[in-house]
Amino acid sequence: QVQLQQSGPGLVQPSQTLSLTCAISGDSVSSNSAGWNWIRQSPSRGLEWLGRTYYRTKWYSDYALSVESRITIHPDAANNQFSLQLNSVTPDDTAVYYCARDVRHCSGGNCYYYYDMDVWGTGTTVTVSS
Amino acid sequence: EGVLTQSPGTLSLSPGERATLSCRASQSVRSIHLAWYQQKPGQAPRLLIYGTSSRATGIPDRFSGSGSGTDFTLTISRLEPEDFAVYYCQQYGSSLLTFGGGTKVEI
Repeated sequence: QVQLQQSGPGLVQPSQTLSLTCAISGDSVSSNSAGWNWIRQSPSRGLEWLGRTYYRTKWYSDYALSVESRITIHPDAANNQFSLQLNSVTPDDTAVYYCARDVRHCSGGNCYYYYDMDVWGTGTTVTVSS
Repeated sequence: EGVLTQSPGTLSLSPGERATLSCRASQSVRSIHLAWYQQKPGQAPRLLIYGTSSRATGIPDRFSGSGSGTDFTLTISRLEPEDFAVYYCQQYGSSLLTFGGGTKVEI
């Protein structure tokens, strides 16, 4: 059974860097059939996908246009986890942050990436405030 | 970046009734790239449907998905008390994922 365990501070000062980690059990961050995502949720923004990292003979990352100048998602194969760094935060970045896995689906010998997220962390409430 | 518009915003129904939720995309979505989630207060979203119409593991068959192109539908054939929640659609396109604004199904 795949589980994602989130950790990180719940309070971040404005203009500082938000850092969260998602530890994986039951799967590998280096799997070539999965992607590892960060999503956030706030009353003003709803559910907002932030980005993902994935391994396909080398590491790749994709980021949402709204945060691409401020975000980095790092895989950590040694510890089987991945992290989120969001720079220069403002109160608008206050949200519940989730990590989640997307995985390739196979049927009848054919496998495709559907980009649905089947396993989620429990969420971390992050408040940006001085 | 594709935009997903869900309607209605709120659906007021009773247990046993049929719920029909709509998700409209601003540009065409490949059928394999449309998913639906259920979220209850204080919980992470739970995957219901992937690839427009495939139920995720453990999802009861009263949940079904359909659609193509820019118009997609989640149907709950007979509402159970535990189905009252918020439902989101999600799509993938051009290396980006986006969510709809959600439909709340309430009693």
